[in-house]
Amino acid sequence: DTAVSQTPKYLVTQMGNDKSIKCEQNLGHDTMYWYKQDSKKFLKIMFSYNNKELIINETVPNRFSPKSPDKAHLNLHINSLELGDSAVYFCASSQNLRQTQYFGPGTRLLVL
Amino acid sequence: AQTVTQSQPEMSVQEAETVTLSCTYDTSESDYYLFWYKQPPSRQMILVIRQEAYKQQNATENRFSVNFQKAAKSFSLKISDSQLGDAAMYFCAYRALNYGGSQGNLIFGKGTKLSVKP
Repeated sequence: DTAVSQTPKYLVTQMGNDKSIKCEQNLGHDTMYWYKQDSKKFLKIMFSYNNKELIINETVPNRFSPKSPDKAHLNLHINSLELGDSAVYFCASSQNLRQTQYFGPGTRLLVL
Repeated sequence: AQTVTQSQPEMSVQEAETVTLSCTYDTSESDYYLFWYKQPPSRQMILVIRQEAYKQQNATENRFSVNFQKAAKSFSLKISDSQLGDAAMYFCAYRALNYGGSQGNLIFGKGTKLSVKP
């Protein structure tokens, strides 16, 4: 009974391709997030969704788009992948903006 | 803008001993949360401990405790009776609660890699 799950765990793809990473939480949380962890282990927020509305959109390229079909899911779509997109992407969720965030296992993306 | 600084890229501790990881942050806000997350080689991000800024009492969770100095903007993590399973990257994180578009956003330090020697 995983709380926050991501698929796939690993993703290897060619430059220029379009790919998606799925995230699901079964905690009944209202807010979900995407973070990027670069090769130096630095974690940075990309997006968050609260009640299916985007509330934070950091300065990420518009090739990245979050899509939330329902409150339990926040998928990350990436178009025209570039070498610099290689990283670990983490999904997280919290009950609301004030509560603790719980993270998924991460998806390691490698762009060749 | 808020920032989080972890000045120790790597630390080492002998099993069963105590180690303290440092974290400082910069903010003009008065209402915020602070966290320590652990990331073992499995790369899973695991919450270790959380501190609400309005609470004067330092948070504790079993062998983990913090020294929260609000005026100094310092938030160190103490691990007592260190175990081999404590070896991991430790990230300090700040969360604004009343700061416009960054509300709810976790801001991370660069992490401290902790090694535990048997």
